[in-house]
Amino acid sequence: DSGVTQTPKHLITATGQRVTLRCSPRSGDLSVYWYQQSLDQGLQFLIQYYNGEERAKGNILERFSAQQFPDLHSELNLSSLELGDSALYFCASSGGLAGGGEQYFGPGTRLTVT
Amino acid sequence: AQSVTQLGSHVSVSEGALVLLRCNYSSSVPPYLFWYVQYPNQGLQLLLKYTTGATLVKGINGFEAEFKKSETSFHLTKPSAHMSDAAEYFCAVSSLYSGAGSYQLTFGKGTKLSVIP
Repeated sequence: DSGVTQTPKHLITATGQRVTLRCSPRSGDLSVYWYQQSLDQGLQFLIQYYNGEERAKGNILERFSAQQFPDLHSELNLSSLELGDSALYFCASSGGLAGGGEQYFGPGTRLTVT
Repeated sequence: AQSVTQLGSHVSVSEGALVLLRCNYSSSVPPYLFWYVQYPNQGLQLLLKYTTGATLVKGINGFEAEFKKSETSFHLTKPSAHMSDAAEYFCAVSSLYSGAGSYQLTFGKGTKLSVIP
């Protein structure tokens, strides 16, 4: 158990809809990262927050947004969903910003868009 | 931009045989390198990492990896495979996100390891 929790575990929704994925980092970790894992794209970094502020952006679509709240939990919002958004979404956390720091991954949310 | 190449999307070994999973990276600066393992229906778990110092890094479950700067490689090995090693393995490089003072991980596409009894 990494100490990172994600809800829900599974989500099935229709095209055009909007969903929110939630992540609680390990106790004391200030950084939260979101990743998308799909068969064709592999594991892709989406976005990072550190202590409530956005710090880095990867291959995140404009239809997707995220935020980190004062209690450090984070939410990833996916809107106008398309079939291609079906994937496993992971959240990870780390203590700081150091390059050699380990990221601890949650169990993921499996999103299916029908 | 950093990139990671894992040779072989699928590797099969017999139980007790040597495990060798290959990883090459591109990086313009000394890298931070990681190997993660993903068991079915689970998140990623860190096996080992290289930051600075000794180039042979030991990790959990008997795995180790050697950082070879001249070959830009960070191959993962285990002397004797066990059935419980069957999983997907990801190599990753940590790179500095321009201007933000923070790092992000770039992952390879993964290598699925099968262990044959």
